Order: sequence, then structure tokens, then C-alpha cells
Amino acid sequence: DTEVTQTPKHLVMGMTNKKSLKCEQHMGHRAMYWYKQKAKKPPELMFVYSYEKLSINESVPSRFSPECPNSSLLNLHLHALQPEDSALYLCASSPQEGGEKLFFGSGTQLSVL
Amino acid sequence: GENVEQHPSTLSVQEGDSAVIKCTYSDSASNYFPWYKQELGKGPQLIIDIRSNVGEKKDQRIAVTLNKTAKHFSLHITETQPEDSAVYFCAARYTGNQFYFGTGTSLTVIP
Repeated sequence: DTEVTQTPKHLVMGMTNKKSLKCEQHMGHRAMYWYKQKAKKPPELMFVYSYEKLSINESVPSRFSPECPNSSLLNLHLHALQPEDSALYLCASSPQEGGEKLFFGSGTQLSVL
Repeated sequence: GENVEQHPSTLSVQEGDSAVIKCTYSDSASNYFPWYKQELGKGPQLIIDIRSNVGEKKDQRIAVTLNKTAKHFSLHITETQPEDSAVYFCAARYTGNQFYFGTGTSLTVIP
């Protein structure tokens, strides 16, 4: 299994809602990542988890809250988002942090109304 | 800080022709350069990569070349097919062990 699975594929939420994005991999990778991608732009790193501990937070606003319950799962909790947060949110994993092979999921297309 | 420039931003080629995308990086300590292909509605997929101790790498119709002195690397796709149509991103791994991505090239292969 060389897949990174993300759910849901699409999400529409209001600015007062709370929602969560989920990511799962069963490749035994010990590093997991959240990226944000705006249309026609490259992915931007948000968070890195290494061995289930938060390793990097790229100055992301606190309305985004990551969680790594175990080595296979990664969540991104969303609260009080702004319309400018609408984007494709990508999860990725690699064998180790900074590892050469980044495997991306298909992403969650988020729209904030 | 690290910067990766990518050109062109859009590229159209006839089926069967070659396509070349070029990237330039700024951090001389960068040592790993992957290329990703992103199809509509999907996440980026690694298609080929090269380490700094190698000048060229080939995998069937795709190849990557690296010029460390000039700090640039290129993706070459030969005998292009319509299914090669996608957005391509180059990336460079920098000293923090994370990646900077180029700005992307939208490739269209015209049948």
C-alpha cells in the first residue's frame, strides 16, 4: 500500500464552523506533513510531525490545529476560518523527516464561506 | 532565504515532441532535487529525482539534468503523450531538510 488517503475530498464550511481533515498512511512512514495549496501555486508547508511529535510549525495561525494520534494518522482541526483560507489541503508522508520520497494524498478542497 | 525559480510557467507542445522545464535554485547546500507531476484533482506525484552527486538521471521518457556550478536543473520529457498534460513542480531540499517548490509549469500536449 503506497497511498496516502485523505478525507473528505471536498468540504464547505462557514466561518463559525469547526471541522476536521483526516489523513492516513500505512507505509510505516514516521514523518507526516500538512501543506496548503492555492490555485495555480506550489504547495506551502504548514506543519511537520516526526515520530508523532510536532517538529515544524511554519507560523500557521492558531485557527489551524494539527494532531497526530498515532504513526498512521494525521488530523487538521479547523475553527473560525476565514474565506482566504479556502485552498487545497494536502497531506504527505515520508520515511523520515526531510526524507527524499514525499508521498502526497489527493487533498481536501476546502471552501470557507 | 532559499528560492527556486521555474520556467516556463506554461508550455504547449505537439504530441511526440519534447518538452523541457528549467529550474534555478539559490542555496548552494541543496543536495536533492525532485520533480512532481500534479494532475487535475490530485496531489503531486514524484516522477523523478536527482541527488547533487549525479549529473543526469533517466527513466524511460523522462530525464533530469543537474548543473551544480550554475545551480540549475531541468526536466526533459521526450515523445510526449496527451497523458503527460499536467502541472509540473520542481523542488530543492535545503539545509533545514525541507523542500522549496518552484512555481509550477502547466504542460499541455496537443494531440
